[in-house]
Amino acid sequence: NAGVTQTPKFQVLKTGQSMTLQCAQDMNHNSMYWYRQDPGMGLRLIYYSASEGTTDKGEVPNGYNVSRLNKREFSLRLESAAPSQTSVYFCASSELGPPLALHFGNGTRLTVT
Amino acid sequence: DQQVKQNSPSLSVQEGRISILNCDYTNSMFDYFLWYKKYPAEGPTFLISISSIKDKNEDGRFTVFLNKSAKHLSLHIVPSQPGDSAVYFCAASVRGDMRFGAGTRLTVKP
Repeated sequence: NAGVTQTPKFQVLKTGQSMTLQCAQDMNHNSMYWYRQDPGMGLRLIYYSASEGTTDKGEVPNGYNVSRLNKREFSLRLESAAPSQTSVYFCASSELGPPLALHFGNGTRLTVT
Repeated sequence: DQQVKQNSPSLSVQEGRISILNCDYTNSMFDYFLWYKKYPAEGPTFLISISSIKDKNEDGRFTVFLNKSAKHLSLHIVPSQPGDSAVYFCAASVRGDMRFGAGTRLTVKP
């Protein structure tokens, strides 16, 4: 089983460019999440989708949009990339209900110049 | 504002000894607490969790302790092994919103 698959693994953007980070899970999980990891900040929640058809803002949603395309896929879009969005982005999924143990992908390393 | 804090960026222990990783939180509404382990170039993997109604949960070499009055939790690894060397993240959740600490890098020396 692949688990949670993120594409691309690496990306370099110029300021103002747009891109979409893709995420798919094959565990039939209901909930999906996008986090960013920055040095000294841990993982910060950008957006999450508790179930298909719903999305909610997390801790740091500004500058991002998400789409829960279907139960398997949850994409993260940067409409106009900024250097402050340079980070490692992780997608995760979980079953409904506690303890909400998240299953993470291997991350996308994004650099905005 | 960081609701979950890990104040020690790093910890080094000898193989076979106990590793104790600490975590503090500010939001009393958190109902589950979790620990994740992360190796370089991989995503975090779930290690162990504890409900807010319990004070201890054990799984093999890993034990998590929760002190609600102090808003503090800790992860004990006994005995520590070199393969435990990784970054450990503490996390806390309420209604699907999961917040993470900044992580502690554990190094277990042979």
